[in-house]
Amino acid sequence: GAVVSQHPSWVICKSGTSVKIECRSLDFQATTMFWYRQFPKQSLMLMATSNEGSKATYEQGVEKDKFLINHASLTLSTLTVTSAHPEDSSFYICSALPGGNQPQHFGDGTRLSIL
Amino acid sequence: DQQVKQNSPSLSVQEGRISILNCDYTNSMFDYFLWYKKYPAEGPTFLISISSIKDKNEDGRFTVFLNKSAKHLSLHIVPSQPGDSAVYFCAASRNTGGFKTIFGAGTRLFVKA
Repeated sequence: GAVVSQHPSWVICKSGTSVKIECRSLDFQATTMFWYRQFPKQSLMLMATSNEGSKATYEQGVEKDKFLINHASLTLSTLTVTSAHPEDSSFYICSALPGGNQPQHFGDGTRLSIL
Repeated sequence: DQQVKQNSPSLSVQEGRISILNCDYTNSMFDYFLWYKKYPAEGPTFLISISSIKDKNEDGRFTVFLNKSAKHLSLHIVPSQPGDSAVYFCAASRNTGGFKTIFGAGTRLFVKA
């Protein structure tokens, strides 16, 4: 089945640093990937849609300069949280769309903790 | 604007009995509905889906029912097993104006042995 790998799974860093999260589709090509954020006991909130070779589409209220998305190839999308602060601490999850009417497949998420 | 609602935050069921998880949606433009299962600190895993042109889809112990007039869908798990204990997310997607999937808040299922 379709496998999505997300790395790192957990990162702790100081306030003000930038953190890059990678999302890879391992056995399929994904022209579209999605980045979600999940707060404790809440739903997955779509942050942005990442399209290979073009700019990401951000949801309302998501700062594009804060959350930089790059989808440089058909198997890799990255999310960079720039100048992270404690309020950015959250669980970030990516997903990839295999195409052909298949559902999204999710990575295992990245727990980001900003001290 | 909660377009997909799961009104029960948790559900407790005895092993071997049926688990029924409910989901309501407000946007009639959704054309595809999905259920995902999620364990702590892991990403959601796709479980089962249904197209808006159908009213039932079955896969082993899992059956999804769709009532378009009521904008309601449900996931039935029978018989329930302790390993089914997880958070279940209902999701709805539409392909008009760009593909987008909206998730409900999730229902935590506890299956007691």
